[in-house]
Amino acid sequence: GENVEQHPSTLSVQEGDSAVIKCTYSDSASNYFPWYKQELGKRPQLIIDIRSNVGEKKDQRIAVTLNKTAKHFSLHITETQPEDSAVYFCAATLNAGKSTFGDGTTLTVKP
Amino acid sequence: GAVVSQHPSWVICKSGTSVKIECRSLDFQATTMFWYRQFPKQSLMLMATSNEGSKATYEQGVEKDKFLINHASLTLSTLTVTSAHPEDSSFYICSAEGGRANEQFFGPGTRLTVL
Repeated sequence: GENVEQHPSTLSVQEGDSAVIKCTYSDSASNYFPWYKQELGKRPQLIIDIRSNVGEKKDQRIAVTLNKTAKHFSLHITETQPEDSAVYFCAATLNAGKSTFGDGTTLTVKP
Repeated sequence: GAVVSQHPSWVICKSGTSVKIECRSLDFQATTMFWYRQFPKQSLMLMATSNEGSKATYEQGVEKDKFLINHASLTLSTLTVTSAHPEDSSFYICSAEGGRANEQFFGPGTRLTVL
């Protein structure tokens, strides 16, 4: 089955700095890669996603890049703010909608 | 956007009892729903894929007789934890596939505590 590895497990940055989280996946058939933000005790919220026919996608301060050949994708957050502090999960999804999640990255943005 | 609800949001029960959790897609039809379990400070682990009108597909290691899933309509899937034990205490989250292909909408989760 699919295996997703996510790094780093914790990340602390100063407000205004950039944050980068990286994920690798194993199944080349995965074609949809969402990123979720989860605050304590709440549901995961989709913040950005990318499909396998696209290499990069940007939405304001958030961007995602995908390297299909190397089977890795990354989340980039620029100009971080304290409210960006949360746990971020990447996922790799097959056609049937079945997602495998990374272990999560706890991002702390220090004011 | 698409809305998924879950009920109850939290439940405390005694060991040995059964608990039913409902997952509803409120403004769209979902032929496929997914059930996840999340332990504290851990990732979401897929338990099963629920398909409307057919049997659920369980992930390896998940006991289908303990975690009963019923997807009776295009807007409702239920997860019943039978004979719950303290080790079943967890955050259970459902998601429904809707809108764009493969995009999932998550319910708010149900926190189960078994005493």
